[in-house]
Amino acid sequence: GEDVEQSLFLSVREGDSSVINCTYTDSSSTYLYWYKQEPGAGLQLLTYIFSNMDMKQDQRLTVLLNKKDKHLSLRIADTQTGDSAIYFCAEQITRFGAGTRLTVKP
Amino acid sequence: EAGVAQSPRYKIIEKRQSVAFWCNPISGHATLYWYQQILGQGPKLLIQFQNNGVVDDSQLPKDRFSAERLKGVDSTLKIQPAKLEDSAVYLCASSLPGLAGDEQFFGPGTRLTVL
Repeated sequence: GEDVEQSLFLSVREGDSSVINCTYTDSSSTYLYWYKQEPGAGLQLLTYIFSNMDMKQDQRLTVLLNKKDKHLSLRIADTQTGDSAIYFCAEQITRFGAGTRLTVKP
Repeated sequence: EAGVAQSPRYKIIEKRQSVAFWCNPISGHATLYWYQQILGQGPKLLIQFQNNGVVDDSQLPKDRFSAERLKGVDSTLKIQPAKLEDSAVYLCASSLPGLAGDEQFFGPGTRLTVL
């Protein structure tokens, strides 16, 4: 199975907040990443967090890291229809989760 | 700034045939990666180059897959012979190591279908 685990689907209404969760296994990971993939496109780096941080905020995006539980989350505030995509978390550059498909309904 | 270029975008072959993919990274990016992304899964790193040297190829099925990066710029990934389970999107990425870790830039991928 995957070393990095994510729920497969999330559906929200436009304007609501989205929270995508991820668990990882390697406690020595230095960086943890969130990528966005739109249909037919490659992955786009959204944000990252260094392992000595608990939280990082970047405009509508908030990343929370719980090292004790090896849990990472991505919160998207005021979710828009353009945010509909698959979101991948990754530890380092070598291990990706299977992706969470976010659907935003008008 | 031009992004990572890959060709072809789509390829359909029969099993046991050979196929090659090409990647042109962002100018100046020393590190180049090839990933395999099977439908419904996350990308799996196949090989990582630093300039023209291999950093990590531990997950590359070396009996059928090969990759090279001549002159530390463009790269090709070859499959010979292809199997049905090789059907996937092959993603190329490049990075310029910096303070924030290796920020990768991905190409659009090559979708391979093996019949």
